[in-house]
Amino acid sequence: QKEVEQDPGPLSVPEGAIVSLNCTYSNSAFQYFMWYRQYSRKGPELLMYTYSSGNKEDGRFTAQVDKSSKYISLFIRDSQPSDSATYLCAMKTSYDKVIFGPGTSLSVIP
Amino acid sequence: NAGVMQNPRHLVRRRGQEARLRCSPVKGHSHVYWYRQLPEEGLKFMVYLQKENIIDESGMPKERFSAEFPKEGPSILRIQQVVRGDSAAYFCASSPTPDGSSYNSPLHFGNGTRLTVT
Repeated sequence: QKEVEQDPGPLSVPEGAIVSLNCTYSNSAFQYFMWYRQYSRKGPELLMYTYSSGNKEDGRFTAQVDKSSKYISLFIRDSQPSDSATYLCAMKTSYDKVIFGPGTSLSVIP
Repeated sequence: NAGVMQNPRHLVRRRGQEARLRCSPVKGHSHVYWYRQLPEEGLKFMVYLQKENIIDESGMPKERFSAEFPKEGPSILRIQQVVRGDSAAYFCASSPTPDGSSYNSPLHFGNGTRLTVT
């Protein structure tokens, strides 16, 4: 079993749709959870960060963590064509390096 | 402020040649990480370095791969005797602290070096 699993997609939605991106993990020691966005031919950039179970909102983005189920989600409201990218979940323990999921490719169609 | 600079952006090598990938971290960052990205496999950790020290190389292949981060100059990822399986995008990231996970010190990534082995 991989340490972090993520549906690779591709996911295609119409502009304005709500997008749900998900990751599951196996290591219960993970404490810090992140979402990175990666545009084509670019490096990943940090989008959201959280360290506790529950929801965290930032504009159109909401990150959700359920440690009991080892499940994290990223919701994008009112999706825009500029949101088209690959979304990588990432997580780490308090003492180890950041581990990334394989990424989900998202296309928002105008 | 310059971000993480990686060069070259694209590198083509024949089998058996050496590849040298360079990474200049964000100014003031003393923690450098190298990741390799293959299609549909995400970013795989390779090595974590501080100035003049390798802290964690658990993701580095045991042979042909080496990394350094000298006191002066960029971090270098060196691949000797490249094979076709080394073809990938190699990303460098830097952080001001060892944590690399918070908003105060997230990983700052470069735009990668795409290595093609022919």
